[in-house]
Amino acid sequence: DQQVKQNSPSLSVQEGRISILNCDYTNSMFDYFLWYKKYPAEGPTFLISISSIKDKNEDGRFTVFLNKSAKHLSLHIVPSQPGDSAVYFCAASGWGIYNQGGKLIFGQGTELSVKP
Amino acid sequence: DAGVTQSPTHLIKTRGQQVTLRCSPKSGHDTVSWYQQALGQGPQFIFQYYEEEERQRGNFPDRFSGHQFPNYSSELNVNALLLGDSALYLCASSTPGLDNTGELFFGEGSRLTVL
Repeated sequence: DQQVKQNSPSLSVQEGRISILNCDYTNSMFDYFLWYKKYPAEGPTFLISISSIKDKNEDGRFTVFLNKSAKHLSLHIVPSQPGDSAVYFCAASGWGIYNQGGKLIFGQGTELSVKP
Repeated sequence: DAGVTQSPTHLIKTRGQQVTLRCSPKSGHDTVSWYQQALGQGPQFIFQYYEEEERQRGNFPDRFSGHQFPNYSSELNVNALLLGDSALYLCASSTPGLDNTGELFFGEGSRLTVL
C-alpha cells in the first residue's frame, strides 16, 4: 500500500526555469510533510517542510504547496540551478508537531535534472 | 560537529548469513531510526530506538532486529539473509521535543549486497 506517491520518476528542466515536483498521499491522518534531497552516494538531506495547518511554505528558492482536499503537495524550485540536480523524496508523518521523529513515509522519489 | 556516521559503507554477504550494521547519531541526538532503501524506491521505515528501547516498528519481519547503546549509537542486525534484503540501509537521527518537525539527519548508508 503506497501511501505516498510520486508519479514522475524523472524531470528535466532548463537552468533558470521553474521545477515543479509533485506528490500525492492517501492517508488523511498525515499532518506533516517534508521534502528531502538525495545526491548519489550521500544520505537524504532535509530541504523544506509544511504543516497541514498551512497551504504554503517558502524558503529561498524553494516553496512547498499543500492542497489537503486533493491530498496533493508540490515543491517549486525557482530559479532552477544545475546544483539542484538530485533525487527528491516527498515524505509524510502523522504525529504532528509532537512527532519524536523517525517514522516517515516516503514516496519513490523524482530524479530532477537541471540542464545548463 | 560530526553528523550521522554509518559502517560499513559496503558489504557483500551470501544467503542465510547474518549481518550487523552500525550507526552513530549526530551529536546531541538521542533517537535513531533505520530505513531500508531498495533500488528505485524511497526509504522504508524499519524501526526507531529511543532510550535503548524499540519505540516504533515498520512492516519488517523479526529477522530484522536492533539495539541502542547508552551512548545512543545503534546496531541493525539482519538474520537469515535473503536476496531481497539487498538494499541501502540508512540510519537517521533526531531528537524529540515540542518543536520537532520530523526532520531527520541521515547517514550515507550501508550498501548491502546479498548473493
